Amino acid sequence: TQLLEQSPQFLSIQEGENLTVYCNSSSVFSSLQWYRQEPGEGPVLLVTVVTGGEVKKLKRLTFQFGDARKDSSLHITAAQPGDTGLYLCAVHISGGYQKVTFGTGTKLQVIP
Amino acid sequence: NAGVTQTPKFRILKIGQSMTLQCTQDMNHNYMYWYRQDPGMGLKLIYYSVGAGITDKGEVPNGYNVSRSTTEDFPLRLELAAPSQTSVYFCASRWTSGEADTQYFGPGTRLTVL
Repeated sequence: TQLLEQSPQFLSIQEGENLTVYCNSSSVFSSLQWYRQEPGEGPVLLVTVVTGGEVKKLKRLTFQFGDARKDSSLHITAAQPGDTGLYLCAVHISGGYQKVTFGTGTKLQVIP
Repeated sequence: NAGVTQTPKFRILKIGQSMTLQCTQDMNHNYMYWYRQDPGMGLKLIYYSVGAGITDKGEVPNGYNVSRSTTEDFPLRLELAAPSQTSVYFCASRWTSGEADTQYFGPGTRLTVL
């Protein structure tokens, strides 16, 4: 079983549309991170959320950490082709600060 | 800073062959990680290290070995390559300071075992 489940698995939208992707778990985390991975490259950190209910904005991207710190969402406003990529959430495994586990990923394609 | 570098970028192995994937970071980070990523999927942790001389298993360590003799280098060894090890391998180093916590990934090594 996956510790972090992301949905949807795939998403193909037109440029200018809005979208939300989700990262869910039954476990509680002290923090959660979102990464974006472009084809042929390694993941790049977008944001870290720490406090339950926290909302962070990065230009057209809005990240929210659930009140119970079990889930998170990423909302993109007016998607651009440059947003195309694999979006991954990641957490530190409880009791193992050194280990980082990644979610299953959401593959986003934004069509011009 | 070059960041995290990995070599080679691509490699094709025959079943049973061995190879070492190289990873070097020049940011003086203590934590380093090896992940594998199968097509369209997330990353699975193979091994990690919290400092020179200290390594530990991740989720999928079978068929792999690592060493960490210096802070900079964290090579991954495949002893008897199997088709199931066909994947893209990413090395990462990690910097933490208070709430700041970032992993920096290398460009990956694409390995095919035939």
